[in-house]
Amino acid sequence: AQSVTQPDIHITVSEGASLELRCNYSYGATPYLFWYVQSPGQGLQLLLKYFSGDTLVQGIKGFEAEFKRSQSSFNLRKPSVHWSDAAEYFCAVGKAAGNKLTFGGGTRVLVKP
Amino acid sequence: GAGVSQTPSNKVTEKGKYVELRCDPISGHTALYWYRQSLGQGPEFLIYFQGTGAADDSGLPNDRFFAVRPEGSVSTLKIQRTERGDSAMYLCASSSRLAGAYNEQFFGPGTRLTVL
Repeated sequence: AQSVTQPDIHITVSEGASLELRCNYSYGATPYLFWYVQSPGQGLQLLLKYFSGDTLVQGIKGFEAEFKRSQSSFNLRKPSVHWSDAAEYFCAVGKAAGNKLTFGGGTRVLVKP
Repeated sequence: GAGVSQTPSNKVTEKGKYVELRCDPISGHTALYWYRQSLGQGPEFLIYFQGTGAADDSGLPNDRFFAVRPEGSVSTLKIQRTERGDSAMYLCASSSRLAGAYNEQFFGPGTRLTVL
């Protein structure tokens, strides 16, 4: 069965500093990997996705993620955080495009002024 | 265009009661998903519809939970004899099903269910 682990429950970062959120997955085949962001009162919004090809993927809002098969990781990064990036972030894995997603427990990001 | 909508946004009910949660997908999306998100956790898959039929209901926790999508558009998640443990945010998502293409799931804002 597929599973996703996000080791950090909370992360606090200063505005303008860099951010890295960790994600480790367990899946028997080539995974479809996603990062979503959830702001209070908002639905989940897709930040970026990885299916195949270049292991460094770019997403919206200045986010990027790197797929490392040897480490079963798909970490999310942003070089310079804005106050509006305060939200909860979820990593997810899917069996195939369009099929059900398995989510990690989420990482809540707090941004200090 | 309009996104996925869910009604009501909040539902408070008493233990043992029956509730219905509604999801209106993006127009033209043939795939529809229900997820449940408990406080402090990530969403968990409940059921997936392709058209009118449930293609995968492996995530439904027990037979108190049931979902329908009679005309292949709007879906209703039904919970009988609600229990306090059913309290959660219920999320709906929809996607197109274009062959050979990535079909992004678009999520609604959710219905927060509280069982007293």
